[in-house]
Formats: sequence, structure tokens, C-alpha cells
Amino acid sequence: SQTIHQWPATLVQPVGSPLSLECTVEGTSNPNLYWYRQAAGRGLQLLFYSVGIGQISSEVPQNLSASRPQDRQFILSSKKLLLSDSGFYLCAWSTTGQPQHFGDGTRLSIL
Amino acid sequence: QKEVEQNSGPLSVPEGAIASLNCTYSDRGSQSFFWYRQYSGKSPELIMSIYSNGDKEDGRFTAQLNKASQYVSLLIRDSQPSDSATYLCAIKGGATNKLIFGTGTLLAVQP
Repeated sequence: SQTIHQWPATLVQPVGSPLSLECTVEGTSNPNLYWYRQAAGRGLQLLFYSVGIGQISSEVPQNLSASRPQDRQFILSSKKLLLSDSGFYLCAWSTTGQPQHFGDGTRLSIL
Repeated sequence: QKEVEQNSGPLSVPEGAIASLNCTYSDRGSQSFFWYRQYSGKSPELIMSIYSNGDKEDGRFTAQLNKASQYVSLLIRDSQPSDSATYLCAIKGGATNKLIFGTGTLLAVQP
């Protein structure tokens, strides 16, 4: 069966520091991968999605970037975090035509 | 007009009652419809998918889709306190793997 791993679960970072969140999927090949952010009391905002290695689509201009160095690995990065980057970051995967399944998420707090 | 609209709630129902959650959408080309449950502090969990007009039942859950009226609903029979969560409606268009999420309805089942 397919599983998705996301880490770390929680992260506290100072303003201006870099960020790297990692997501890996097991049990499937060539998944579609997604990064979302959910601010407190808000809906899910799609940040990036990828349909293959090295293929990244950005949904919202922002302080973040994403990379997909391997088929089942998706990384969310920032060079300098802003206070507004705080939130709950969720990675998800799907295969074409199928629903998305989410990892456990990373709760990011910026101080 | 938002692409996917849900009443934010809270929707409060007594234990054992039927909870009815509604969602409307704007894109007539939408092909796939999903309901996710999100407990506080946790990631969304897929509970129902529906692709054609009519009802789809799975245990205590029934999803209803009416493409002509552009709405999808979720009924929860015999509601339990453990059903208390935010329910997210998500819609997928025909030519994309992306989901558009509503902001969710908070359901509170009173014991």
C-alpha cells in the first residue's frame, strides 16, 4: 500500500532563517505531488504541484520554492523565512484521476 | 464568487441525529468531488469520493451530487461525538489534477 512521510512534524524558526521540508511517498511510481499551506482558521492553499521529476508548477507568488529531485521526493524550501510563512504545511500525493492523500503535516512557527 | 463555497458553521447536531453538510461550486466542467474530514491539528483524511449524479453510500456516510444545480452534499447518519471535525469539500476539474478546496464546515456533535 502507499504511504506518505512528511517531516518534521513541528518546526520553530527565526525570521530570516532558511527552510527545508521534505516529503516522500512509498508504494507508487510517478505520483503527482503537492504542497499546501493552511493558515490558522483558513482553507487549504495550493503552493506547488509536480507531475514528474524536475517539473514544478507554482500556484502563488511567494517566498517559497519547491523541488523534486527524485520521483517520490518533494522538497519545500525558503532562503529567508517571513513571519507570514507561519502555518500548517501539508504534502499530498495522487495518481491521475484519483483523489489526493495527505501526509501528517508540518506545523511551522516563525518567531 | 468563490470557486467552492461551504458554510463555515459551526453546525451543531445532537448525537444520533443526521448531519447535513453542503457545498456549491462554480465550474460546470468539474468532474470529481471529494469530502475530507480534518480533526483539529491534524491533516485532512479522505472519506468520500463521488463522480456521477445521485447518491453514494459508505457506512454512515452518504454523498449526494447534483451537477445541474452545482452542489454536492455529505450526510452523516447516527452522528457521533467522534464525527466532530471540519469537513472540507474539494472539486477537481476535467483537465487538471489540482483540487480546489472549500474553507470547510465545522461540525460539532453534542453528546
